[in-house]
Amino acid sequence: KQEVTQIPAALSVPEGENLVLNCSFTDSAIYNLQWFRQDPGKGLTSLLLIQSSQREQTSGRLNASLDKSSGRSTLYIAASQPGDSATYLCAVRRGGLTGGGNKLTFGTGTQLKVEL
Amino acid sequence: DAGVIQSPRHEVTEMGQEVTLRCKPISGHNSLFWYRQTMMRGLELLIYFNNNVPIDDSGMPEDRFSAKMPNASFSTLKIQPSEPRDSAVYFCASSSEPYIGYTFGSGTRLTVV
Repeated sequence: KQEVTQIPAALSVPEGENLVLNCSFTDSAIYNLQWFRQDPGKGLTSLLLIQSSQREQTSGRLNASLDKSSGRSTLYIAASQPGDSATYLCAVRRGGLTGGGNKLTFGTGTQLKVEL
Repeated sequence: DAGVIQSPRHEVTEMGQEVTLRCKPISGHNSLFWYRQTMMRGLELLIYFNNNVPIDDSGMPEDRFSAKMPNASFSTLKIQPSEPRDSAVYFCASSSEPYIGYTFGSGTRLTVV
């Protein structure tokens, strides 16, 4: 059974700092990995999707990397801002349509607070 | 596109009552997922459908929970009878193939008293 863990569970940083969020998964046979953001009381917003054949994806100040063989992904946030404060979740998809379907297994999340 | 639409946004009900949560996926998406989120257990997949057919319902906690997808644009999650431990935020999400990721709805916050 796939297990996804995120470290740290909570993080508080001053504005402007670069930071790294970590995600690890126990079964390296994944199809892709997705990072989400969740604001308090809201739904999940997709940030980045990395296919299993890719090493990284970038969107603005966000960069996500994937090392499938070691079962790890990182989300790098450059020049953090108070608006980045949210919970960040990673999720792995095991297989394609014939390989376990397209359901996602979510990590426990990292609650980020960026202070002025 | 308005995204994945869930209703109601909030639901407060008494123990023993029937609760029905509704979801409209993004037009053209052929997979639909129901998740439950609690502080203790995080996000848990309850059931998912592909082309309106239930594929995996192993996450449905017990027989009190049931889900239907009568057509490509509508799904329901029903709890009957509801219990206080069912209190959680229930999310619906949809996706398509080729896969470009999930889109989540805003969720239904259920409180059973």
